Amino acid sequence: QSALTQPASVSGSPGQSITISCSGTNSDVGGYKYVSWYQHHPGKAPKLLIYEVTDRPSGVSNRFSGSKSGYTASLTISGLQAEDEADYYCTSYTTSSTWVFGGGTKLTVL
Amino acid sequence: QVHLVESGGGVVQPGGSLSLSCAASGFTFRTYDMYWVRQAPGKGLEWIAFIRYDSSSKYFADSVKGRFTISRDNSKNTLYLQLNSLRAEDTALYYCAKGLRTYYMDVWGEGTTVTVSS
Repeated sequence: QSALTQPASVSGSPGQSITISCSGTNSDVGGYKYVSWYQHHPGKAPKLLIYEVTDRPSGVSNRFSGSKSGYTASLTISGLQAEDEADYYCTSYTTSSTWVFGGGTKLTVL
Repeated sequence: QVHLVESGGGVVQPGGSLSLSCAASGFTFRTYDMYWVRQAPGKGLEWIAFIRYDSSSKYFADSVKGRFTISRDNSKNTLYLQLNSLRAEDTALYYCAKGLRTYYMDVWGEGTTVTVSS
C-alpha cells in the first residue's frame, strides 16, 4: 500500500491555473476510475472536490476539474483565489479492496 | 444537514486500547458505507478502515490490520473504531467519513485526537 505520488508543493498567483498530479500504478489509479480529490484546510474537515476522476459534488466550484491519463490523475484549479490555499490529496481504490491516499500537495497562492 | 461527530480520543500508553465513536445525523445512516481516516502530526491523510452499510464487508489498512476493528450500530446511527495494541505511530487525528457510491468520502467529521505515549 504505497502512497500515491504527489508533488509536495505547488504555487500560483491569483487568477492563474495550476495542476496537481497524482501518480500510481495499475493496481490503483491506472486500474480504476475510482479516483477522488480532497481539499484540506488545517484544522478543518477535509472536503471532497472531485470523485470518479472527473465528477464534482454539488456545491463545488467549476474552477476545480479532474482528469486521468494512464497511471496519473490530475487536479486543475483555474482562476486561483486566496481561499484555495490549502493541502490537496488524491486517493484511489485499489485491487486489494483498500484505499490509498497521495502524500498531499500544499498549494500556496502568491 | 449531514453531520458527523467523533469522540473517544485521548492519551493512552503503548500497548493500550481506546474506543472511538462517530455519531451521525442528517442522513439515513443505515444505507451508507462509512470510513475511518487518520492524520498523524505533520503527515498526510491515511485511510485505515471501511465498513459496508450492512456490516457485510470490512477492510483495513495493513498498518492497523489485526489491531483495529470497525463496527457500526445502525439503530444508534453510530460508527465505532476499536483501537488495540496501540503504538506511538498510531498518534493521530482520527476522522470518520460518510461514503458516496462506496468508493468516495463525501462528508467528514472534525476528528478526535489519539495520543499514544508513556
